Amino acid sequence: DTEVTQTPKHLVMGMTNKKSLKCEQHMGHRAMYWYKQKAKKPPELMFVYSYEKLSINESVPSRFSPECPNSSLLNLHLHALQPEDSALYLCASSRQGNQPQHFGDGTRLSIL
Amino acid sequence: AQSVTQLGSHVSVSEGALVLLRCNYSSSVPPYLFWYVQYPNQGLQLLLKYTTGATLVKGINGFEAEFKKSETSFHLTKPSAHMSDAAEYFCAVRYSSASKIIFGSGTRLSIRP
Repeated sequence: DTEVTQTPKHLVMGMTNKKSLKCEQHMGHRAMYWYKQKAKKPPELMFVYSYEKLSINESVPSRFSPECPNSSLLNLHLHALQPEDSALYLCASSRQGNQPQHFGDGTRLSIL
Repeated sequence: AQSVTQLGSHVSVSEGALVLLRCNYSSSVPPYLFWYVQYPNQGLQLLLKYTTGATLVKGINGFEAEFKKSETSFHLTKPSAHMSDAAEYFCAVRYSSASKIIFGSGTRLSIRP
């Protein structure tokens, strides 16, 4: 069982919808990450939170909005997505920024 | 630019045969090195890591990797492949404690009965 829990596992949404992805970890990790992974490709970093503050934004379009309400939770708010945003969205956490990352099983997102 | 290269997008071996997945990085400064495995419909799982110290690193599921500074390599091996090893394998590097992880393009490992 993964120690990083992501919900929902699957999400289908229209281009005008607003939805959120949720990630939770209870390992006391202080760094949390969002990745986007297209089929047969490596994960691409989107955002990094360190001690609940956004530390890295990899020039992600504003239709993706991250939020870190507390040290255990990470959300990704979605609005007005495009079909090319369909992908597997992975959350990860690490004890600190230089430690190995633990990944959740991801949310498979499909945009109609 | 700093990068990591995985040679071979697809490797196929027979069950019981040696597994060798290749990874090379580009840097004169030894980075932190990782191997991750991804099974279908799952996230990435850390197999092993190298930070400092012993250059031969043992990981889970019988895998190991050797850091060779002179060759800028961190190849992953397993003496005897098992059907359950079929998955996508990613080599990854971090060049400093503050930098992001850079993933290789991945190698799909298939196991023939």
